[in-house]
Amino acid sequence: AQRVTQPEKLLSVFKGAPVELKCNYSYSGSPELFWYVQYSRQRLQLLLRHISRESIKGFTADLNKGETSFHLKKPFAQEEDSAMYYCALSGNTGGFKTIFGAGTRLFVKA
Amino acid sequence: KAGVTQTPRYLIKTRGQQVTLSCSPISGHRSVSWYQQTPGQGLQFLFEYFSETQRNKGNFPGRFSGRQFSNSRSEMNVSTLELGDSALYLCASSPGVDYGYTFGSGTRLTVV
Repeated sequence: AQRVTQPEKLLSVFKGAPVELKCNYSYSGSPELFWYVQYSRQRLQLLLRHISRESIKGFTADLNKGETSFHLKKPFAQEEDSAMYYCALSGNTGGFKTIFGAGTRLFVKA
Repeated sequence: KAGVTQTPRYLIKTRGQQVTLSCSPISGHRSVSWYQQTPGQGLQFLFEYFSETQRNKGNFPGRFSGRQFSNSRSEMNVSTLELGDSALYLCASSPGVDYGYTFGSGTRLTVV
């Protein structure tokens, strides 16, 4: 079955603390992995793509194929990072589509 | 450049009616996908189109249909509306699988 699992619905950290948002996936094939973010009253937007190996707004994500995980990390959380984060995978198995996890709401406290 | 545009922004319909939602992708993006977003189910995949061809469809009843035109603009239609169809419907476009999606603001459909 194709599935993206984000085990935490809510994650609360203090400003300046490290943050890790977990994402595990199940997929038959080689998917592309993404993280999307939705800030309050804004549209859902792409945060980063695994394929580009980039760091955006201090966030990085490491693909672990053995553990089928793609966790999102940031060493020092900022209040403006408070948002809803979605992990997603795209692939062609069973027809092209992108599926999303249920999302994790990150709350960064002052 | 212009982003993904969805119209209308809000709709209120009565049970049993039908509705058509429109999406204009970013210029040059040939892949368009539709999602239903609800608080309980999150983002659920509806369909994906590429160059006017539906490449995949999610687990939704046949009342949900869509199409893509030669200019990549897309529409989705929901017939015989039910209360449970109330949701935010999101459209997203992409130049290809590796690039990720750009999302529109969505159409908020309320069925009464």
